[in-house]
Amino acid sequence: DAGVIQSPRHEVTEMGQEVTLRCKPISGHDYLFWYRQTMMRGLELLIYFNNNVPIDDSGMPEDRFSAKMPNASFSTLKIQPSEPRDSAVYFCASRPSSRREETQYFGPGTRLLVL
Amino acid sequence: GQSLEQPSEVTAVEGAIVQINCTYQTSGFYGLSWYQQHDGGAPTFLSYNALDGLEETGRFSSFLSRSDSYGYLLLQELQMKDSASYFCAVRDQAYNTDKLIFGTGTRLQVFP
Repeated sequence: DAGVIQSPRHEVTEMGQEVTLRCKPISGHDYLFWYRQTMMRGLELLIYFNNNVPIDDSGMPEDRFSAKMPNASFSTLKIQPSEPRDSAVYFCASRPSSRREETQYFGPGTRLLVL
Repeated sequence: GQSLEQPSEVTAVEGAIVQINCTYQTSGFYGLSWYQQHDGGAPTFLSYNALDGLEETGRFSSFLSRSDSYGYLLLQELQMKDSASYFCAVRDQAYNTDKLIFGTGTRLQVFP
C-alpha cells in the first residue's frame, strides 16, 4: 500500500491567497483526520471524518478554514484567505474502522508558509 | 479536561536506556498510544497499551497504569537513529470520540 498521500508537500503563498491541501487516505480506512503542527501549539486536530462525514470540526480555527471529503479516497483542507499565522505543517492521517484499532497512519505532511 | 504532560527534552548516550514519562488528566480513555516523529517527518505509531502493564516491541516497551494516571515509553540499547520526538496520545472515552489527544512531546537526543 502507498500509505497516506498528501499534496503538495510544500506550499509558499502570499497572505490573502487561497490554499488547498489534498489528502488520499489508505484504501479501506474509514476515518480521516486533519492535523496542524506548530512549535507553539504542538500537534492539534482540526477536523475528522468517518465514512466521508465530518464528525468533529471543533478544532478548525475559524471560518477561513474548511474541509471536505467528497468520497472515500479524497479530502481537501482549504484556507481562504490565508494569513501568516497559518504557517505550519498540516498532516492528514487515516485509520481503519475497528474500534480496537487505535493506530493512525500519517501522511508526509504539507509544509505551508504564508508570507 | 484532557491534558497529557511529557518532559520537553531528554538526552542520553548510545547504548543506554531512557524512559519517557506521560502523565495525564482525563476522566477515562480507551488506551495509551505512543508515536515517534523524526525532524521533518511524520508521526509514526510505536505502541499501544489498552490494559495496564508492560507491552514490549523489540527495543521499545510501553507501560500503563490507569490507577496512577501514568504511562511511559522505555527505549533500550539506544541508537543514534532514535533521536526524535516522542508523543503519547489517548482517545477520550468520556466523549465517545475517535479524536486522539496528543501530549506535548519529548525531544530525545542520543549522543555518541
